[in-house]
Amino acid sequence: RKEVEQDPGPFNVPEGATVAFNCTYSNSASQSFFWYRQDCRKEPKLLMSVYSSGNEDGRFTAQLNRASQYISLLIRDSKLSDSATYLCVAHPRDYGQNFVFGPGTRLSVLP
Amino acid sequence: EAGVTQFPSHSVIEKGQTVTLRCDPISGHDNLYWYRRVMGKEIKFLLHFVKESKQDESGMPNNRFLAERTGGTYSTLKVQPAELEDSGVYFCASSQGFTGRTYEQYFGPGTRLTVT
Repeated sequence: RKEVEQDPGPFNVPEGATVAFNCTYSNSASQSFFWYRQDCRKEPKLLMSVYSSGNEDGRFTAQLNRASQYISLLIRDSKLSDSATYLCVAHPRDYGQNFVFGPGTRLSVLP
Repeated sequence: EAGVTQFPSHSVIEKGQTVTLRCDPISGHDNLYWYRRVMGKEIKFLLHFVKESKQDESGMPNNRFLAERTGGTYSTLKVQPAELEDSGVYFCASSQGFTGRTYEQYFGPGTRLTVT
């Protein structure tokens, strides 16, 4: 079983729609979580950090459920520019430890 | 503020040759990480430097890979001799020390390595 799992998609949604992605992690020691977005042939760019139960930034909301070991990302009022692959990342407890990436969920926002 | 930079952006080499990738982290970031994404797979950790010291190199695939960070600034990752399965995109990332957003890592644009 992979340490971080995501539905690869693709999720095809119309502009203005609300879309949610889930991510599950197997290492209960993971403390911090991140959502990165990655455009085709580009580097991952930090979208949101999740250190406690959740985080909200504009149209984006991330929620963490430690009991069930999953993190969600909600995107409201989808824009064409939101089309990308969304990477869920888990970070173990210890400082400086490496990130563990999920395989990513692909989102296409259609006009 | 300049981001993480990597050189070269692309490299095509033949099996058995040597390639050296370079990463310049964000100024002031003590932590530097190397990751790799091979075709169809998720991004995988290779190693982590804190300043010039290797904190964790558990992800290095074998002894054909050598990473250095002399002086605690830029880092190099050398593959010698390269094999076909080394093809992929090599990302470098950096993060701050204990203060501020300690764990947030910022990625460079990657080096796309093709071994033929």
